[in-house]
Amino acid sequence: DAGVIQSPRHEVTEMGQEVTLRCKLISGHNSLFWYRQTMMRGLELLIYFNNNVPIDDSGMPEDRFSAKMPNASFSTLKIQPSEPRDSAVYFCASSPTGQETQYFGPGTRLLVL
Amino acid sequence: AQSVTQLGSHVSVSEGALVLLRCNYSSSVPPYLFWYVQYPNQGLQLLLKYTSAATLVKGINGFEAEFKKSETSFHLTKPSAHMSDAAEYFCAVTLGVGGSQGNLIFGKGTKLSVKP
Repeated sequence: DAGVIQSPRHEVTEMGQEVTLRCKLISGHNSLFWYRQTMMRGLELLIYFNNNVPIDDSGMPEDRFSAKMPNASFSTLKIQPSEPRDSAVYFCASSPTGQETQYFGPGTRLLVL
Repeated sequence: AQSVTQLGSHVSVSEGALVLLRCNYSSSVPPYLFWYVQYPNQGLQLLLKYTSAATLVKGINGFEAEFKKSETSFHLTKPSAHMSDAAEYFCAVTLGVGGSQGNLIFGKGTKLSVKP
């Protein structure tokens, strides 16, 4: 089985532009987590979904960030407008029903100039 | 509230030496505990997990960890380091009883270097 798939793997954009990160869950998993990793702050949970419903979005930095699950296997994380301080590696992870183990994607490395 | 503290942001060992990465947790409920490894430019990969069964947990690549409730610790060990073990290691605890909530609280991570 394919693991969690993220795209793009790398993104370079200019301040003010919209950025959309994509994540495909492992088949059969129904929990989805978005994380951000930086040298300064380490690994931070941004938001997580269970059965397509956002459960906890307290980690979303501000209104510029939004996340959706349009269907059970796919999620997007959007930043609009982007700022240099958003530069980080963004990971998504998924887990099966009733399981606590999370399976991580390879990450999207975002650089906002 | 649940939290995780990893002592030492960087650990350096010689090849063949014992690896010991420290993790202490704080939890108001019986915890589930995890160690993940992150190789350069990759996502996190599960090494092992404790879910209230045996207190000594064996994982992949020769790693193991022991849950010690009295010390609120879950230290990661490997008897003999290999060059390929160089990576960043994260300890994590679940939020909620028995993993009832999927959210994991991660420590800051420990970078392991292995010298030839």
